[in-house]
Amino acid sequence: GAVVSQHPSWVICKSGTSVKIECRSLDFQATTMFWYRQFPKQSLMLMATSNEGSKATYEQGVEKDKFLINHASLTLSTLTVTSAHPEDSSFYICSAINPQGSSYNEQFFGPGTRLTVL
Amino acid sequence: RKEVEQDPGPFNVPEGATVAFNCTYSNSASQSFFWYRQDCRKEPKLLMSVYSSGNEDGRFTAQLNRASQYISLLIRDSKLSDSATYLCVVNMESGGGADGLTFGKGTHLIIQP
Repeated sequence: GAVVSQHPSWVICKSGTSVKIECRSLDFQATTMFWYRQFPKQSLMLMATSNEGSKATYEQGVEKDKFLINHASLTLSTLTVTSAHPEDSSFYICSAINPQGSSYNEQFFGPGTRLTVL
Repeated sequence: RKEVEQDPGPFNVPEGATVAFNCTYSNSASQSFFWYRQDCRKEPKLLMSVYSSGNEDGRFTAQLNRASQYISLLIRDSKLSDSATYLCVVNMESGGGADGLTFGKGTHLIIQP
């Protein structure tokens, strides 16, 4: 099956620092990756769509200058939370589509990164 | 109005029982429908897709009613390992591209021995 990894799995940082989260497709090339965020007892919310070689598309209400996305290769997308604040503490999950996979664009999720900003 | 609505539960069900979840979605342009399962503090995992004709996978049966914008999931002979949060998910899938998924908040299921 298609495997997606994320690193780190958890991170604790001080307010004002920047945190980079990596999302990798391990056994397939992903032209499209997605970044989601999930607050406790809430649904996953799509933050942005990351396309290899082009600018990410952000959902309404998500600040592109705060959440920097880079998708420089077909197997890696990164999300950088700049100047993180406690309200950014959340579970960040990426997903990737395997273009060689099923016809309905099944998304394979990474294990998530739990960010805590002190 | 929320895009995907689910009863959050929790549903407390004895082992071996049958349980059903429902979900409604607001966007009539939605093209693809799924049920995902999410265990505590883990990423969601695809349980099954939902097709217009209805589909079954072992103990799990999914139904879609496009006219009513309603999706259901039935679990028969429930096992302790079925305890999880079940997420109703829709995808607009415009053209040949790929869109992000829209998730419901999930329905929490607890199977009791």
